[in-house]
Amino acid sequence: NAGVTQTPKFQVLKTGQSMTLQCAQDMNHEYMSWYRQDPGMGLRLIHYSVGAGITDQGEVPNGYNVSRSTTEDFPLRLLSAAPSQTSVYFCASSDSGLAKNIQYFGAGTRLSVL
Amino acid sequence: ELKVEQNPLFLSMQEGKNYTIYCNYSTTSDRLYWYRQDPGKSLESLFVLLSNGAVKQEGRLMASLDTKARLSTLHITAAVHDLSATYFCAVEQGTYKYIFGTGTRLKVLA
Repeated sequence: NAGVTQTPKFQVLKTGQSMTLQCAQDMNHEYMSWYRQDPGMGLRLIHYSVGAGITDQGEVPNGYNVSRSTTEDFPLRLLSAAPSQTSVYFCASSDSGLAKNIQYFGAGTRLSVL
Repeated sequence: ELKVEQNPLFLSMQEGKNYTIYCNYSTTSDRLYWYRQDPGKSLESLFVLLSNGAVKQEGRLMASLDTKARLSTLHITAAVHDLSATYFCAVEQGTYKYIFGTGTRLKVLA
């Protein structure tokens, strides 16, 4: 059981380049989220999804796009990377019921934008 | 807009001592979560607090929730070096939208 898998683990981009951070979960969780973690600022919610076909904005959505075509996958797209998007990105999934909405996190993607 | 504040941001303590981390939030919520993050690693769940007065304990850590005061505490008893990590609280706003605090970086000195 892999849990939440994020790829790549590390990425360096030049300003203006685009890329997609991948996130997949194999726990059949309904809810998935993307966060960014910056020093001294904790985790900030970028976008989240409550099910396939449904997404919503979090605290810091500008510059990022998401889609949720399947329950398993929740990719995060940077359309035109900026140095301010240098950060560590975490994907998480959760479900209701016995799990009581506990979030399970991926290992993270370290992104540097030059 | 929900704001979640933790204090202290940094905590250096001696082994064997007790201390409390505080998590305050600005709007009504009945669900609060505590997570632990080791340096360079991901986050793992510690506690889920789902109602006013909820108290959960695991080893040397005990978490409580007072929804009327909009306050959660994470109490550390007789700290050991293995507890050195960053601790985050997260509050659920509405449904499945989680807002995190800035984290408390704990260092336990031998």
